[in-house]
Amino acid sequence: DQQVKQNSPSLSVQEGRISILNCDYTNSMFDYFLWYKKYPAEGPTFLISISSIKDKNEDGRFTVFLNKSAKHLSLHIVPSQPGDSAVYFCAAKRTGNTPLVFGKGTRLSVIA
Amino acid sequence: DAGITQSPRYKITETGRQVTLMCHQTWSHSYMFWYRQDLGHGLRLIYYSAAADITDKGEVPDGYVVSRSKTENFPLTLESATRSQTSVYFCASSDVRTYEQYFGPGTRLTVT
Repeated sequence: DQQVKQNSPSLSVQEGRISILNCDYTNSMFDYFLWYKKYPAEGPTFLISISSIKDKNEDGRFTVFLNKSAKHLSLHIVPSQPGDSAVYFCAAKRTGNTPLVFGKGTRLSVIA
Repeated sequence: DAGITQSPRYKITETGRQVTLMCHQTWSHSYMFWYRQDLGHGLRLIYYSAAADITDKGEVPDGYVVSRSKTENFPLTLESATRSQTSVYFCASSDVRTYEQYFGPGTRLTVT
């Protein structure tokens, strides 16, 4: 049973526009959420996170929104740049030092 | 160099052989993790460790063995490799105070 779902395998966006990547989760015990970015032949790198006590966290061009009632989070990238082209993984965890549970990823292509 | 390293980066082995993937981190992070990444599955946790001599199974532990005699090293051994273990393997670490995991560059393993 997949606890973290990224239902869009891929997304194409024009340079300068907004990219919105979505993630749904089923486990109501999750209280911390993270986004990772992965380039080919490299390991994933941490991008941004949000605690369940918040509904928004912003870091430069990246903003994560959390809707707990809908068990949904999204990553907004504004403006999108060609260097943002990568696979983005959503991850979630329960309270305490428990392992992360990852979604399957969404491949973002930013077209110049 | 500070960070997390994996070796080898690429490995081809035959079915039935034992192979060990190495992971080394210089941050003195308490937690270390092994994931495999396969098309259509995203990142799946194999094993993790909370400290030296403490290890726990993840989502897909069968066919793998881990040990952690020193905080900085977390080797992953495939005791008798099978073709289904062909994958890209990522090691990660995290500090006990934060939830962000830092990933190594990965090892691409092919079992023929």
